[in-house]
Amino acid sequence: SQTIHQWPATLVQPVGSPLSLECTVEGTSNPNLYWYRQAAGRGLQLLFYSVGIGQISSEVPQNLSASRPQDRQFILSSKKLLLSDSGFYLCAWRVSYEQYFGPGTRLTVT
Amino acid sequence: QKEVEQNSGPLSVPEGAIASLNCTYSDRGSQSFFWYRQYSGKSPELIMSIYSNGDKEDGRFTAQLNKASQYVSLLIRDSQPSDSATYLCAVNNDMRFGAGTRLTVKP
Repeated sequence: SQTIHQWPATLVQPVGSPLSLECTVEGTSNPNLYWYRQAAGRGLQLLFYSVGIGQISSEVPQNLSASRPQDRQFILSSKKLLLSDSGFYLCAWRVSYEQYFGPGTRLTVT
Repeated sequence: QKEVEQNSGPLSVPEGAIASLNCTYSDRGSQSFFWYRQYSGKSPELIMSIYSNGDKEDGRFTAQLNKASQYVSLLIRDSQPSDSATYLCAVNNDMRFGAGTRLTVKP
């Protein structure tokens, strides 16, 4: 069966610091991968999606970037965090039409 | 702009009642529809998918789709306190999400 991992589970970072969140998928090959952000009490905002290695599409211009160095690895990064980057970051992958989420990383920027 | 709209709630129902959650969408060409449940502090969990007009039942959950009227709904029968969560509607391959409806089931 397919499994999606995200780490770390929680993270507290100061404003201006860099960020790297990692997502890996097991049990499938060439998945479509997605990064979402959910601000407190808000809906899901699609940040990036990838249909293959090195292929990244950005939905929202911001100080975040994403990379896909391997088929089942998706990384979200920032060079300098802003207070507004705080939120719950979710990685997701798609099977056919259905999409499944990882456990998420809760980021607090102080 | 393609949109997915849900009542933000909160929706409160007594235990054992039917909870009805609604979602409307603007893209008439949408073909696939999903309901997710999200417990507080957790990631969304897929509970129902529906692709054709009509009803689809899975246990206590029934998804209803009406493409002509551009709405999809989720009915939860015999609601339990454990059903208390935020329910997210998602539409189509690009997975546009509604803001979610918070449901509280009172014992």
